[in-house]
Amino acid sequence: ETGVTQSPTHLIKTRGQQVTLRCSSQSGHNTVSWYQQALGQGPQFIFQYYREEENGRGNFPPRFSGLQFPNYSSELNVNALELDDSALYLCASSTLGTEPYGYTFGSGTRLTVV
Amino acid sequence: GDSVTQMEGPVTLSEEAFLTINCTYTATGYPSLFWYVQYPGEGLQLLLKATKADDKGSNKGFEATYRKETTSFHLEKGSVQVSDSAVYFCALSELGGNQFYFGTGTSLTVIP
Repeated sequence: ETGVTQSPTHLIKTRGQQVTLRCSSQSGHNTVSWYQQALGQGPQFIFQYYREEENGRGNFPPRFSGLQFPNYSSELNVNALELDDSALYLCASSTLGTEPYGYTFGSGTRLTVV
Repeated sequence: GDSVTQMEGPVTLSEEAFLTINCTYTATGYPSLFWYVQYPGEGLQLLLKATKADDKGSNKGFEATYRKETTSFHLEKGSVQVSDSAVYFCALSELGGNQFYFGTGTSLTVIP
């Protein structure tokens, strides 16, 4: 079975721009969660998607938004980028009802905002 | 709210030394506790877990015991190897919850 894949692996954006990060969930999983990991910090929960709808959100402003597609893949969109948005963004997939034991994390997208 | 506090690093040990990384937690309900490991340039990998008080999670020589009375879940290994060099994260998730609360991570370097 394939794991969780994220793209791109690295990117650099300018403050004020918008960015889209992508995640393909593990085969058989129907839920995708996104986490932000700032340098030297632990990952922080952004939100989770199930059946193409948001199913829980952490303490992040509305300029962080997401989508889930019928094939369970997902996008994370961040508008009006700020320098503090520089971080590793992790995607994790699972099957609803198996959390927290069935999580599989991807390798992440490293976003640098300059 | 829920939170995890873990020992700050970095930690540097010689090969075959004993490892302890402290982790304490605050939770409103009945959490499960986890240790995740992150190797350079990679995502998070589950190392071990414990789902209720007094459970011991173990994997690859690492162990941690869920201590409700001290709200702790300390990670231990009797003899570390160079390949254990990584960042270790303690985390909790509430029963029925859909998110993890992670500590800030402890960087471990093992030297030959």
